[in-house]
Amino acid sequence: DGGITQSPKYLFRKEGQNVTLSCEQNLNHDAMYWYRQDPGQGLRLIYYSQIVNDFQKGDIAEGYSVSREKKESFPLTVTSAQKNPTAFYLCASSILGDAEAFFGQGTRLTVV
Amino acid sequence: GDSVTQMEGPVTLSEEAFLTINCTYTATGYPSLFWYVQYPGEGLQLLLKATKADDKGSNKGFEATYRKETTSFHLEKGSVQVSDSAVYFCALSSTGANNLFFGTGTRLTVIP
Repeated sequence: DGGITQSPKYLFRKEGQNVTLSCEQNLNHDAMYWYRQDPGQGLRLIYYSQIVNDFQKGDIAEGYSVSREKKESFPLTVTSAQKNPTAFYLCASSILGDAEAFFGQGTRLTVV
Repeated sequence: GDSVTQMEGPVTLSEEAFLTINCTYTATGYPSLFWYVQYPGEGLQLLLKATKADDKGSNKGFEATYRKETTSFHLEKGSVQVSDSAVYFCALSSTGANNLFFGTGTRLTVIP
């Protein structure tokens, strides 16, 4: 079945550590996105990529980094510079030029 | 800039009641409009969409009409079920843009 797979579903991190969230899609979509979801704030765009080896900052990119070495993969690293990383992270993909996005199941990151 | 304003929740309804969740938007040009649904602990799923003025999106008994004159895209359902309990997000994508702007979400709880 085609879709987007995020792993892990739950992740715990100690303060000061970097952590990488995985996102893989087999929909053959060119565009991929990372969103952060906090209670009462909807979804905010962290980074997006429209093509391999290229990506752009979204509205809240500070403290995050991404890579796009393969079309199907778009991992997100939450660095120690991110001041408030506890949140629900959602990865999405779409056909280039089509805003209709398909979402993964999300990763809930908790800093302990 | 582009933005979406969504009716604040939470909304609690009895089964078979009529549902309206208001959504208004601000955007340049002619955006595409979407409603996404998020069930507990999961990612977002596209519920319906409309890409031009006066279009009506519909799915699973839900409907929304793209009203350019009132910049609105209100979600309606004639008879809600317990299984409709979820968080509903209104979103837009501006002309030529790939990413989505989301409202803050409205939590719906349907009681038997």
